Amino acid sequence: EVQLVESGGGLVKPGGSLRLSCATSGFTFSNAWMNWVRQAPGKGLEWVGRIKSKTEGGTTDYAAPVKGRFTISRDDSKNTLYLQMNDLKTEDTAVYYCSTGGAAHDYWGQGTLVTVSS
Amino acid sequence: SYELTQPPSVSVSPGQTARITCSGDALPKKYAYWYQQKSGQAPVLVIYEDSKRPSGIPERFSGSSSGTMATLTISGAQVEDEADYYCYSPDSSGNQWVFGGGTKLTVL
Repeated sequence: EVQLVESGGGLVKPGGSLRLSCATSGFTFSNAWMNWVRQAPGKGLEWVGRIKSKTEGGTTDYAAPVKGRFTISRDDSKNTLYLQMNDLKTEDTAVYYCSTGGAAHDYWGQGTLVTVSS
Repeated sequence: SYELTQPPSVSVSPGQTARITCSGDALPKKYAYWYQQKSGQAPVLVIYEDSKRPSGIPERFSGSSSGTMATLTISGAQVEDEADYYCYSPDSSGNQWVFGGGTKLTVL
């Protein structure tokens, strides 16, 4: 059974940092492209970024609002995806989901809530 | 920045056909994907590559794309299909992915 479990969310002040983790099991993580998607309270889905598998270069792409502040990385030895978030803004408040797949996101975690507030 | 445009809401009676549209300039050259999100739950993929249905998704869900518009069709919508639906596709570079604003489907 495929499982994705996000963790690391919480309350942080504007300008602060937070690192989210997505622990996975049930599939070959090292072969998977992985994504972060967020959803602000009461709003729609927003793609945050993705990381390719190492065999396909391991490169990353980011949405414009987070580029330069957020970094996606992966540890294939731990089957875990990360999202390092720096210089957080109030508009980054959202539930953050990790998901599998390059385009078709087949599996999703249940999300972790990040609240940016003073 | 690239945008995908969806109607905010669609309403049908049970058994009727619901159609949700998604327009975007890159859709003639890029696939559309559709996600269903029920209240308080993670999204679920219901259509990929314009018209393909993942295993486990009911046959009443179908997709099509023509020109700058992609369409999700639910034939014989059921009460349990009430949800928010999002289209998803990249810009012309293929490196920036975007969700549409979402369409709330009401079946009653």
